[in-house]
Amino acid sequence: DSGVTQTPKHLITATGQRVTLRCSPRSGDLSVYWYQQSLDQGLQFLIHYYNGEERAKGNILERFSAQQFPDLHSELNLSSLELGDSALYFCASSVGAMSSYEQYFGPGTRLTVT
Amino acid sequence: GESVGLHLPTLSVQEGDNSIINCAYSNSASDYFIWYKQESGKGPQFIIDIRSNMDKRQGQRVTVLLNKTVKHLSLQIAATQPGDSAVYFCAENSMEYGNKLVFGAGTILRVKS
Repeated sequence: DSGVTQTPKHLITATGQRVTLRCSPRSGDLSVYWYQQSLDQGLQFLIHYYNGEERAKGNILERFSAQQFPDLHSELNLSSLELGDSALYFCASSVGAMSSYEQYFGPGTRLTVT
Repeated sequence: GESVGLHLPTLSVQEGDNSIINCAYSNSASDYFIWYKQESGKGPQFIIDIRSNMDKRQGQRVTVLLNKTVKHLSLQIAATQPGDSAVYFCAENSMEYGNKLVFGAGTILRVKS
């Protein structure tokens, strides 16, 4: 158990819908990272927040957004969902602001868009 | 471009043998490297990391080797066990990537009993 929690574990929704994925980092970690893992793209970095502020952006679509709240939990919002958004979404946390710190991954949310 | 070990090879080893998983990275400016293990249905799990000022680092049953000359990273697992069966990812960090980790496609390790 990494100490990072993610909810829900599974999510099935229809195209065009909007979903919110939630992540709670390990106690004491200030950074939260979001990743998407699909069969054809591998593990892709989406976005990084440190202590409530966005620190880095990766291949995140404009239909996707994220935020980190004062209690350090984070939410990833996916809207206007398409079939291609079906994937595993992972959250990771680390203690520092730089990505060159050990990142601990949560169990992931499996999103299926039908 | 950003690429770390794009191929997804499979390595099959006999229980008790040593395993060597390789990874080629593309950015000579990368200064931090990590190996992760991902079991089916789980998130990636940190195994070991190494910074670019080192050539070798050892953990419990695992060793990471870094060859900056040829931009190659390897993970050695001693006395491989069935529980080591998983997908192994290498990842690199470079400020040129904008403070993010870039993951390789992964290698499947299958341990035969």
